[in-house]
Amino acid sequence: SQTIHQWPATLVQPVGSPLSLECTVEGTSNPNLYWYRQAAGRGLQLLFYSVGIGQISSEVPQNLSASRPQDRQFILSSKKLLLSDSGFYLCAWSLPSGRLGSQIETQYFGPGTRLLVL
Amino acid sequence: QKEVEQDPGPLSVPEGAIVSLNCTYSNSAFQYFMWYRQYSRKGPELLMYTYSSGNKEDGRFTAQVDKSSKYISLFIRDSQPSDSATYLCAMRLVSGYSTLTFGKGTMLLVSP
Repeated sequence: SQTIHQWPATLVQPVGSPLSLECTVEGTSNPNLYWYRQAAGRGLQLLFYSVGIGQISSEVPQNLSASRPQDRQFILSSKKLLLSDSGFYLCAWSLPSGRLGSQIETQYFGPGTRLLVL
Repeated sequence: QKEVEQDPGPLSVPEGAIVSLNCTYSNSAFQYFMWYRQYSRKGPELLMYTYSSGNKEDGRFTAQVDKSSKYISLFIRDSQPSDSATYLCAMRLVSGYSTLTFGKGTMLLVSP
């Protein structure tokens, strides 16, 4: 079965500090990967998605970036955090198009990282 | 008009009640519909997904889709305190790669 891991679970960082959040998926190959941010009252905001190694699409312009150095690893980064970057960051995966059972492309979420920027 | 509308709640019900959670959408091209449950400080977990109009049942949960009205619902029978969570609807287009569009979620509180 597939599992998705995120770490750290909680992070408190000062404004202007760098950020690196990591997400890994086990039990599947070549998944689509996603980074979301969830802020109170604003729902889930898609930040980045990736359909393969080195392929990153950005949905929202901001001071965050994403990288996919390995097939099942997705990293969210920032060089300098802003107060507005605080939130609950969620990684998700789905089967790629064309794979058996992928017609729905349902996304499965990790446990999330709660980031507080002070 | 937002693509997906969902009442944020909270919706408070007594244990054993039938709960109805709803979403409306504006884009008639949405074809796949999902419901996620999210407990506080946890990631969303998939509850149900459906493609066609009509009902789909899974235990105490029933998902209903009315494409003509652009309206989807999740019914919970015999609600339990453990059902207390935020429920998010999500939907996507049919062709090619497309991302999910989420509602903002409805908070449900089931009191014992």
